[in-house]
Amino acid sequence: QITLKESGPTLVKPTQTLTLTCSFSGFSLTTRGVGVGWFRQSPGKALEWLALIYWNDDNRYSPSLNSRLTITKDTSKNQVVLTMTNMDPVDTATYYCAHVPYSSTSNWFDPWGQGTLVTVSS
Amino acid sequence: SYELTQPPSVSVSPGQTANITCSGDKLGDKYAYWYQQKPGQSPVLVIYQDNKRPSGIPERFSGSNSGNTATLTISGTQTMDEADYYCQAWDSSTVVFGGGTKLTVL
Repeated sequence: QITLKESGPTLVKPTQTLTLTCSFSGFSLTTRGVGVGWFRQSPGKALEWLALIYWNDDNRYSPSLNSRLTITKDTSKNQVVLTMTNMDPVDTATYYCAHVPYSSTSNWFDPWGQGTLVTVSS
Repeated sequence: SYELTQPPSVSVSPGQTANITCSGDKLGDKYAYWYQQKPGQSPVLVIYQDNKRPSGIPERFSGSNSGNTATLTISGTQTMDEADYYCQAWDSSTVVFGGGTKLTVL
């Protein structure tokens, strides 16, 4: 059974850097083709993709947030870390991570973590 | 940038068929994915690669994708299917979501 859980601060101040950790079990990020993605959802808004890291350290970022994001993995700890710099109140959202299963054609996200709410306020 | 457009809301009576559309330029040339999100819960994958159902997803969920439109169809809709539904596709190695459709079953 694959599970993921997000952790990190619930409150950050404007201009600070947010660091979120996705801890997972039931799969390994050393397995060919596997990955972990990060997403967010502002209150009452749609899902937004942020970043993705594959087993081979191939990283992808949302073009609109690319300059603020860094995604890394620690395979020994089964964790993926997302950092977002220069936080702003508009970044207030629930942040999710999700498993990317192997596929020879195109990837999807399943399952998802429970999400963690991050509020940006002074 | 690539955009996926969904109707904000769809209503259906219990037992009837609900169709939720997702439009994008030449979407039929890509794979479409669908996620269900109930209030206060995380998204759940219900359709992958246009028309495949993950294990545990009821047979009443089906999908199609052709031309510029992907469609999620829920046959015999149940009250438990009331949720937000998001389509997703890939474009130039980036992930794109639609704006979501709120399905109301009444």
